[in-house]
Amino acid sequence: AQKVTQAQTEISVVEKEDVTLDCVYETRDTTYYLFWYKQPPSGELVFLIRRNSFDEQNEISGRYSWNFQKSTSSFNFTITASQVVDSAVYFCALSVNAGKSTFGDGTTLTVKP
Amino acid sequence: GAGVSQSPSNKVTEKGKDVELRCDPISGHTALYWYRQSLGQGLEFLIYFQGNSAPDKSGLPSDRFSAERTGGSVSTLTIQRTQQEDSAVYLCASSAPGTGYKTQYFGPGTRLLVL
Repeated sequence: AQKVTQAQTEISVVEKEDVTLDCVYETRDTTYYLFWYKQPPSGELVFLIRRNSFDEQNEISGRYSWNFQKSTSSFNFTITASQVVDSAVYFCALSVNAGKSTFGDGTTLTVKP
Repeated sequence: GAGVSQSPSNKVTEKGKDVELRCDPISGHTALYWYRQSLGQGLEFLIYFQGNSAPDKSGLPSDRFSAERTGGSVSTLTIQRTQQEDSAVYLCASSAPGTGYKTQYFGPGTRLLVL
């Protein structure tokens, strides 16, 4: 069985601060995929990134960066110089095949001006 | 619109009534998923369709829940004899062969409230 844990329920930062959202996963499969999604107040889930289990290279996209470490089963997400528009619920998810994804409970990020 | 669409956006029903929720996937996406998101919680997988294969129904919480996918496109999620605990946002997603079916694109959801 798969499990995704996002230990941080809520995070509040002031604009321009850096913030890291933690994600720890569990799976016995050697091939799997990890995802991050953003759910703004409007409610629609927005895909941010997908990583496969064979690619531990970290990724940076603008102010967003992801740190994938198989040794600790973690896939953490960092927002640099946070902005008010980053306020949302962020979900980490795990998929071991093309079927269902297992989601964490989400981290609510509030960025205050 | 090129995204996943769902209807209705909101549905209020009385306990014991049946409801149908509709999902139109992105054109060309052969995989379709239903999830449920209860208030303040993460997403709970319900069912997965892939082409003509038998659907993965492992996430359906009870036999009151069923889903169909006609013509490999539109899907309908039916909840019979609704209960108050069925109140949630029901999300549909689709994915394409081009991504190896790995990336799911989500619709806006249907907010169901059972009184």
